[in-house]
Amino acid sequence: NAGVTQTPKFQVLKTGQSMTLQCAQDMNHEYMSWYRQDPGMGLRLIHYSVGAGITDQGEVPNGYNVSRSTTEDFPLRLLSAAPSQTSVYFCASSRVTGQYSPLHFGNGTRLTVT
Amino acid sequence: KNEVEQSPQNLTAQEGEFITINCSYSVGISALHWLQQHPGGGIVSLFMLSSGKKKHGRLIATINIQEKHSSLHITASHPRDSAVYICAGGGADGLTFGKGTHLIIQP
Repeated sequence: NAGVTQTPKFQVLKTGQSMTLQCAQDMNHEYMSWYRQDPGMGLRLIHYSVGAGITDQGEVPNGYNVSRSTTEDFPLRLLSAAPSQTSVYFCASSRVTGQYSPLHFGNGTRLTVT
Repeated sequence: KNEVEQSPQNLTAQEGEFITINCSYSVGISALHWLQQHPGGGIVSLFMLSSGKKKHGRLIATINIQEKHSSLHITASHPRDSAVYICAGGGADGLTFGKGTHLIIQP
């Protein structure tokens, strides 16, 4: 099993450009989520999904879109990149929704917006 | 809103020392996760606990529900334990993450 696969590992965007961060898991997990990690701050939830066709906003959703058309994939779209979106992004999944299920993380995407 | 506070923020120790990282959390959190992040690397889940104590190799995690406090201990620390350790509290709204403890173990 590959676990959670995130691509790309690194990306540089100019302000206003759009892009999609890919996330796929092969563990048949219900729950998938996107976080951003910034210096001096804990991981913050952007969007999450509790199953195919169901998505919801987290703590910092503005400027990001998600969709979940299959159990395996949960892409994160930046609609019009801004320097404030420079961050490291992590996708994570867990078997079931809720606080009792360990999270499995991807290796992260380091995004720089100039 | 749930809150999670970790201490210390930074910790440098010598190889072989016993390490303790602390995590306090607010009412509303019923499960505590400990995660490990190596420099430039991904994040790995170490433990999830809602009561008592768990042990995996040289790592031990404990939780005191009454005091809303959890600790992560590392026995016989080794330079390969150098990483950022993150606690996260699980509640009805999902996970709330601490800011992490940056641990360096010197040979």
